[in-house]
Amino acid sequence: AQKITQTQPGMFVQEKEAVTLDCTYDTSDQSYGLFWYKQPSSGEMIFLIYQGSYDEQNATEGRYSLNFQKARKSANLVISASQLGDSAMYFCAMSEMNYGGATNKLIFGTGTLLAVQP
Amino acid sequence: DTGVSQDPRHKITKRGQNVTFRCDPISEHNRLYWYRQTLGQGPEFLTYFQNEAQLEKSRLLSDRFSAERPKGSFSTLEIQRTEQGDSAMYLCASSLGLAEIPTYNEQFFGPGTRLTVL
Repeated sequence: AQKITQTQPGMFVQEKEAVTLDCTYDTSDQSYGLFWYKQPSSGEMIFLIYQGSYDEQNATEGRYSLNFQKARKSANLVISASQLGDSAMYFCAMSEMNYGGATNKLIFGTGTLLAVQP
Repeated sequence: DTGVSQDPRHKITKRGQNVTFRCDPISEHNRLYWYRQTLGQGPEFLTYFQNEAQLEKSRLLSDRFSAERPKGSFSTLEIQRTEQGDSAMYLCASSLGLAEIPTYNEQFFGPGTRLTVL
Protein backbone atom coordinates (compact mmCIF):
# COMPACT_ATOMS: atom_id res chain seq x y z
CA ALA A 1 0.00 0.00 0.00
CA GLN A 2 1.09 3.51 -0.68
CA LYS A 3 1.79 5.89 2.21
CA ILE A 4 2.84 9.52 2.51
CA THR A 5 4.48 10.92 5.64
CA GLN A 6 4.78 14.61 6.44
CA THR A 7 6.51 15.04 9.79
CA GLN A 8 6.27 18.83 10.10
CA PRO A 9 2.84 19.86 11.42
CA GLY A 10 3.77 23.54 11.14
CA MET A 11 6.55 25.76 9.83
CA PHE A 12 7.44 29.45 10.11
CA VAL A 13 9.45 31.30 7.48
CA GLN A 14 10.40 34.93 7.06
CA GLU A 15 9.15 36.69 3.96
CA LYS A 16 11.61 36.48 1.04
CA GLU A 17 13.43 33.48 2.54
CA ALA A 18 13.37 29.92 1.19
CA VAL A 19 11.65 27.06 3.01
CA THR A 20 11.71 23.28 2.60
CA LEU A 21 8.68 21.14 3.41
CA ASP A 22 9.48 17.49 4.00
CA CYS A 23 7.74 14.51 2.46
CA THR A 24 8.65 10.83 2.50
CA TYR A 25 6.72 8.10 0.77
CA ASP A 26 6.40 4.36 0.69
CA THR A 27 5.26 2.26 -2.25
CA SER A 28 5.97 -1.03 -3.94
CA ASP A 29 5.03 0.37 -7.35
CA GLN A 30 7.79 0.95 -9.88
CA SER A 31 5.93 3.75 -11.63
CA TYR A 32 4.31 6.50 -9.63
CA GLY A 33 3.79 10.22 -9.46
CA LEU A 34 4.42 12.61 -6.60
CA PHE A 35 2.44 15.81 -6.18
CA TRP A 36 2.28 18.86 -3.98
CA TYR A 37 -0.95 20.73 -3.39
CA LYS A 38 -1.60 23.99 -1.55
CA GLN A 39 -4.77 24.47 0.46
CA PRO A 40 -5.44 28.04 1.62
CA SER A 41 -7.99 28.80 4.29
CA SER A 42 -10.68 28.96 1.60
CA GLY A 43 -10.39 25.17 1.31
CA GLU A 44 -9.66 24.62 -2.37
CA MET A 45 -6.80 22.28 -3.29
CA ILE A 46 -4.39 24.00 -5.69
CA PHE A 47 -1.97 21.87 -7.70
CA LEU A 48 1.62 23.13 -7.42
CA ILE A 49 4.07 20.66 -8.88
CA TYR A 50 4.51 17.07 -10.08
CA GLN A 51 7.42 14.61 -10.23
CA GLY A 52 7.34 11.29 -12.06
CA SER A 53 9.24 8.38 -10.62
CA TYR A 54 11.26 8.00 -13.81
CA ASP A 55 12.06 11.68 -14.18
CA GLU A 56 15.79 12.16 -13.72
CA GLN A 57 15.64 15.89 -13.16
CA ASN A 58 13.93 17.60 -10.26
CA ALA A 59 10.71 19.33 -11.23
CA THR A 60 10.48 23.12 -11.05
CA GLU A 61 7.49 25.44 -11.41
CA GLY A 62 8.28 29.08 -10.85
CA ARG A 63 9.21 29.51 -7.18
CA TYR A 64 8.45 25.85 -6.43
CA SER A 65 10.91 23.03 -6.88
CA LEU A 66 10.69 19.40 -5.86
CA ASN A 67 13.80 17.83 -4.38
CA PHE A 68 13.33 14.20 -5.45
CA GLN A 69 15.62 11.61 -3.86
CA LYS A 70 14.37 8.25 -5.05
CA ALA A 71 16.72 6.08 -3.00
CA ARG A 72 15.62 7.87 0.17
CA LYS A 73 11.98 7.91 -0.98
CA SER A 74 11.71 11.60 -0.32
CA ALA A 75 10.03 14.37 -2.31
CA ASN A 76 10.58 17.63 -0.47
CA LEU A 77 9.02 20.87 -1.68
CA VAL A 78 11.24 23.95 -1.77
CA ILE A 79 9.59 27.36 -1.95
CA SER A 80 12.01 30.14 -2.79
CA ALA A 81 11.49 33.81 -1.93
CA SER A 82 8.46 33.19 0.32
CA GLN A 83 5.55 35.58 0.05
CA LEU A 84 2.79 36.35 2.55
CA GLY A 85 0.32 34.69 0.18
CA ASP A 86 2.20 31.41 0.55
CA SER A 87 0.72 30.99 4.04
CA ALA A 88 -1.43 27.87 3.72
CA MET A 89 -1.60 24.15 4.31
CA TYR A 90 0.64 22.11 2.01
CA PHE A 91 -0.05 18.49 1.15
CA CYS A 92 2.23 15.93 -0.43
CA ALA A 93 0.47 13.19 -2.40
CA MET A 94 1.23 10.26 -4.65
CA SER A 95 -0.53 8.10 -7.20
CA GLU A 96 0.21 5.22 -9.49
CA MET A 97 0.89 5.90 -13.13
CA ASN A 98 -2.04 6.26 -15.48
CA TYR A 99 -2.09 2.92 -17.23
CA GLY A 100 -5.34 1.57 -18.59
CA GLY A 101 -7.70 0.64 -15.79
CA ALA A 102 -5.66 2.23 -13.06
CA THR A 103 -7.65 4.36 -10.66
CA ASN A 104 -4.86 6.85 -10.04
CA LYS A 105 -6.39 7.97 -6.79
CA LEU A 106 -4.26 10.35 -4.79
CA ILE A 107 -2.91 9.30 -1.40
CA PHE A 108 -2.27 12.35 0.76
CA GLY A 109 -0.12 13.06 3.76
CA THR A 110 -1.40 14.93 6.83
CA GLY A 111 -0.04 18.24 5.63
CA THR A 112 2.24 21.03 6.84
CA LEU A 113 0.86 24.42 7.85
CA LEU A 114 3.19 27.14 6.59
CA ALA A 115 3.11 30.61 8.09
CA VAL A 116 5.05 33.34 6.32
CA GLN A 117 6.01 36.18 8.62
CA PRO A 118 6.63 39.76 7.40
CA ASP B 1 -15.09 29.92 -14.86
CA THR B 2 -14.42 26.48 -16.36
CA GLY B 3 -13.03 24.80 -13.26
CA VAL B 4 -14.61 22.13 -11.07
CA SER B 5 -17.69 23.38 -9.25
CA GLN B 6 -19.48 21.94 -6.24
CA ASP B 7 -22.87 22.69 -4.76
CA PRO B 8 -23.71 23.51 -2.05
CA ARG B 9 -20.60 25.00 -0.50
CA HIS B 10 -21.93 24.51 3.00
CA LYS B 11 -24.57 22.19 4.40
CA ILE B 12 -25.81 21.96 7.95
CA THR B 13 -28.16 19.09 8.73
CA LYS B 14 -29.56 17.20 11.66
CA ARG B 15 -28.47 13.67 12.45
CA GLY B 16 -30.55 11.14 10.59
CA GLN B 17 -31.35 13.36 7.61
CA ASN B 18 -30.29 12.61 4.03
CA VAL B 19 -28.06 15.00 2.11
CA THR B 20 -26.97 15.17 -1.53
CA PHE B 21 -23.99 17.00 -2.99
CA ARG B 22 -23.32 17.80 -6.62
CA CYS B 23 -20.05 18.06 -8.53
CA ASP B 24 -19.61 19.46 -12.03
CA PRO B 25 -16.18 18.51 -13.40
CA ILE B 26 -14.16 20.25 -16.09
CA SER B 27 -16.16 19.52 -19.23
CA GLU B 28 -13.67 17.39 -21.18
CA HIS B 29 -12.52 15.36 -18.16
CA ASN B 30 -13.55 11.73 -18.19
CA ARG B 31 -12.37 10.90 -14.66
CA LEU B 32 -14.08 12.07 -11.49
CA TYR B 33 -13.07 11.49 -7.88
CA TRP B 34 -14.68 12.11 -4.50
CA TYR B 35 -12.54 12.65 -1.40
CA ARG B 36 -13.38 13.37 2.22
CA GLN B 37 -11.27 15.61 4.40
CA THR B 38 -11.68 15.83 8.17
CA LEU B 39 -10.12 18.52 10.33
CA GLY B 40 -6.34 18.28 10.52
CA GLN B 41 -6.10 15.50 7.95
CA GLY B 42 -5.34 15.19 4.28
CA PRO B 43 -8.10 14.23 1.86
CA GLU B 44 -9.03 10.55 1.77
CA PHE B 45 -10.22 8.80 -1.36
CA LEU B 46 -13.88 7.76 -1.43
CA THR B 47 -14.75 6.74 -4.96
CA TYR B 48 -13.80 7.07 -8.62
CA PHE B 49 -15.70 7.25 -11.92
CA GLN B 50 -14.40 6.83 -15.43
CA ASN B 51 -17.12 8.31 -17.59
CA GLU B 52 -20.35 6.94 -16.08
CA ALA B 53 -18.82 3.79 -14.59
CA GLN B 54 -17.99 3.69 -10.90
CA LEU B 55 -14.77 1.69 -10.93
CA GLU B 56 -13.56 1.86 -7.34
CA LYS B 57 -15.02 2.49 -3.92
CA SER B 58 -13.07 2.90 -0.72
CA ARG B 59 -13.93 0.94 2.39
CA LEU B 60 -14.64 4.37 3.88
CA LEU B 61 -17.75 4.47 1.72
CA SER B 62 -20.30 2.73 3.93
CA ASP B 63 -23.69 1.50 2.74
CA ARG B 64 -25.16 4.88 3.68
CA PHE B 65 -23.10 6.54 0.94
CA SER B 66 -23.97 6.33 -2.73
CA ALA B 67 -22.48 8.13 -5.69
CA GLU B 68 -23.64 8.41 -9.28
CA ARG B 69 -22.46 9.92 -12.51
CA PRO B 70 -25.43 9.13 -14.76
CA LYS B 71 -24.29 10.60 -18.08
CA GLY B 72 -20.59 10.78 -17.49
CA SER B 73 -20.79 14.48 -16.73
CA PHE B 74 -21.84 15.75 -13.30
CA SER B 75 -21.82 13.52 -10.24
CA THR B 76 -23.86 13.34 -7.05
CA LEU B 77 -22.86 12.01 -3.65
CA GLU B 78 -25.70 11.11 -1.30
CA ILE B 79 -25.39 10.34 2.39
CA GLN B 80 -28.39 8.70 4.00
CA ARG B 81 -29.16 8.80 7.72
CA THR B 82 -26.32 11.18 8.42
CA GLU B 83 -24.23 10.75 11.56
CA GLN B 84 -22.07 13.27 13.40
CA GLY B 85 -19.00 11.41 12.19
CA ASP B 86 -19.93 12.34 8.62
CA SER B 87 -19.09 15.98 9.34
CA ALA B 88 -16.24 16.81 6.97
CA MET B 89 -15.27 18.62 3.79
CA TYR B 90 -16.27 16.62 0.71
CA LEU B 91 -14.00 17.35 -2.23
CA CYS B 92 -14.56 16.50 -5.86
CA ALA B 93 -11.75 16.34 -8.42
CA SER B 94 -11.58 15.62 -12.13
CA SER B 95 -8.87 14.68 -14.58
CA LEU B 96 -8.33 13.64 -18.16
CA GLY B 97 -7.19 10.05 -18.33
CA LEU B 98 -5.99 8.60 -21.63
CA ALA B 99 -5.34 4.91 -21.20
CA GLU B 100 -3.12 4.69 -24.26
CA ILE B 101 -0.78 7.38 -22.97
CA PRO B 102 0.77 6.45 -19.61
CA THR B 103 1.26 9.68 -17.77
CA TYR B 104 0.60 11.26 -14.47
CA ASN B 105 -2.85 12.14 -13.35
CA GLU B 106 -3.15 15.80 -12.46
CA GLN B 107 -6.40 16.19 -10.65
CA PHE B 108 -8.20 19.51 -10.46
CA PHE B 109 -10.20 20.04 -7.30
CA GLY B 110 -13.41 21.89 -6.66
CA PRO B 111 -13.96 24.21 -3.68
CA GLY B 112 -15.56 21.45 -1.62
CA THR B 113 -18.79 21.06 0.30
CA ARG B 114 -18.46 21.46 4.05
CA LEU B 115 -20.97 19.24 5.85
CA THR B 116 -21.88 19.79 9.49
CA VAL B 117 -24.12 17.20 11.14
CA LEU B 118 -25.70 18.39 14.37
